[in-house]
Amino acid sequence: NAGVTQTPKFQVLKTGQSMTLQCAQDMNHEYMSWYRQDPGMGLRLIHYSVGAGITDQGEVPNGYNVSRSTTEDFPLRLLSAAPSQTSVYFCASSHDRSYEQYFGPGTRLTVT
Amino acid sequence: AQSVTQLDSQVPVFEEAPVELRCNYSSSVSVYLFWYVQYPNQGLQLLLKYLSGSTLVKSINGFEAEFNKSQTSFHLRKPSVHISDTAEYFCAISNFGNEKLTFGTGTRLTIIP
Repeated sequence: NAGVTQTPKFQVLKTGQSMTLQCAQDMNHEYMSWYRQDPGMGLRLIHYSVGAGITDQGEVPNGYNVSRSTTEDFPLRLLSAAPSQTSVYFCASSHDRSYEQYFGPGTRLTVT
Repeated sequence: AQSVTQLDSQVPVFEEAPVELRCNYSSSVSVYLFWYVQYPNQGLQLLLKYLSGSTLVKSINGFEAEFNKSQTSFHLRKPSVHISDTAEYFCAISNFGNEKLTFGTGTRLTIIP
């Protein structure tokens, strides 16, 4: 198993550009989520999904969109990048009610 | 609203000395408790979790944490640390029946040889 994979590892965007951060898992996990990690703030939940076709907002959803068309994939879209979105983004997945989330290696995003 | 407080942002410890990383939480409902570890340039890994039963939970690499409901705490301890324990440690909570995690701000553990 590859576990949770994220692409790209690094990305630099200009303000106003859009992009999609990819996340995939091969463990048939129902639950997937996106977090952002900022210095001194820990990890904050952006969006999550409890299964294909079902998504919901987390703590800091503004400026981000998600969709879940398959069990395996959960892409995160930045519609119009802003410097405040400079962060490290982590995708995670778990079996429903297992309470053990598996994290990907992260994507470091810089918006100039 | 619920929150997790990790008062110590950095903890330096000599190798083979004991360590305690503190975690307190606030929630109006019952919660599950977790410690995740992040090694340099990696994603997070679950270290241990408390869901129910014995309030003392242990990891395979010698860490343990005790749930104290009256003090709303879940402190992480290890009797003797090693260089390989150098990492950032995050305390987190979730509501019963819910996978959504609320994280603390993290504690960076530095081991001094």
